[in-house]
Amino acid sequence: SQKIEQNSEALNIQEGKTATLTCNYTNYSPAYLQWYRQDPGRGPVFLLLIRENEKEKRKERLKVTFDTTLKQSLFHITASQPADSATYLCALDKANAGKSTFGDGTTLTVKP
Amino acid sequence: DAGVTQSPTHLIKTRGQQVTLRCSPKSGHDTVSWYQQALGQGPQFIFQYYEEEERQRGNFPDRFSGHQFPNYSSELNVNALLLGDSALYLCASSLRGVHYGYTFGSGTRLTVV
Repeated sequence: SQKIEQNSEALNIQEGKTATLTCNYTNYSPAYLQWYRQDPGRGPVFLLLIRENEKEKRKERLKVTFDTTLKQSLFHITASQPADSATYLCALDKANAGKSTFGDGTTLTVKP
Repeated sequence: DAGVTQSPTHLIKTRGQQVTLRCSPKSGHDTVSWYQQALGQGPQFIFQYYEEEERQRGNFPDRFSGHQFPNYSSELNVNALLLGDSALYLCASSLRGVHYGYTFGSGTRLTVV
């Protein structure tokens, strides 16, 4: 069956460092991979989307890589700030599927 | 420009009852998807509506049904509520044929007692 695994442990880092979050998947061939941020009691907020034929995408302090051979995506936040503290979700989509399959998320805490 | 609006924000129901949740999509979006998110887990896809029809469905029983109206707004109905239906219900909107992430509402927190 399809399985998506994100960092099993919560991630704690010091302000100014780079946070790296992992999303691994099995039994899946996604056309798109998305990353969302979710704060407690709120809905997910879309951050970045990367397509299967793209290796890397950047947006301000955010960078996403997508390795379809390793079946893995890495999500980096550079120069992290306490305001970056949240749960980060990865989601996979097949082409024209019309639905996303989400991982359970990684909770990031950035300490000042 | 309003994003996705969901109502109510919180709801408490008794086992066996029925509930209706509502969603207004972001302006310019024509597709609405519903997700269920249990505490500590990622959202799980329930179904998607486009042109007033259910287009995709996840692994949820028939107790979960929905509707989309001509103005693209949507309802999620759950019959015969179980304790396990307690969760955050999220509505996400998008524009058909354009895949650049979904816009989610803040959700409806449903508690079944």
